[in-house]
Amino acid sequence: DAMVIQNPRYQVTQFGKPVTLSCSQTLNHNVMYWYQQKSSQAPKLLFHYYDKDFNNEADTPDNFQSRRPNTSFCFLDIRSPGLGDAAMYLCATSRGRGEQFFGPGTRLTVL
Amino acid sequence: KNEVEQSPQNLTAQEGEFITINCSYSVGISALHWLQQHPGGGIVSLFMLSSGKKKHGRLIATINIQEKHSSLHITASHPRDSAVYICAGDSNYQLIWGAGTKLIIKP
Repeated sequence: DAMVIQNPRYQVTQFGKPVTLSCSQTLNHNVMYWYQQKSSQAPKLLFHYYDKDFNNEADTPDNFQSRRPNTSFCFLDIRSPGLGDAAMYLCATSRGRGEQFFGPGTRLTVL
Repeated sequence: KNEVEQSPQNLTAQEGEFITINCSYSVGISALHWLQQHPGGGIVSLFMLSSGKKKHGRLIATINIQEKHSSLHITASHPRDSAVYICAGDSNYQLIWGAGTKLIIKP
């Protein structure tokens, strides 16, 4: 089945220790998104790739970076996680401005 | 005032009841999404619509562009429909999210 896969599902890191979250898709969608969702809040868009073009939201902290080495994969790098970065991180894909398909999310804990 | 508002915030109903969740928006959007999120789970896209009505199984979504209003209906509701239902306006790749409606269907 075509899908959006996120690894790991649960990630524990230490304060200040860099962490990378992974997203892959078999849908061959050209747009990929990273969202941050904190408890009882709506997801917040961090950035998206339209093909290889990177689009950063104005209020996304510099601590968050992303890489998209090819169509199928996209990574979220958190350079120096703080306690406030503990959240669910959701990856989504779409074909152009079409419907977004979400992965199951990675829950990040910062100790 | 939020740009996308949903009502009700919480809804509890008995199995079999017809469910309606409403969404109003005050911004220009190219489309409106209805999504479902189970506790601790990922988000599932239910519908994306820019006009008219869509149906998928027991779910029906309608949108009135002039009134800037959309509804999600669930017919013959079932406990497995219990989840948070979210409407989100699509504006230039940015989804403007509603606060969500927490739906509980009791057996």
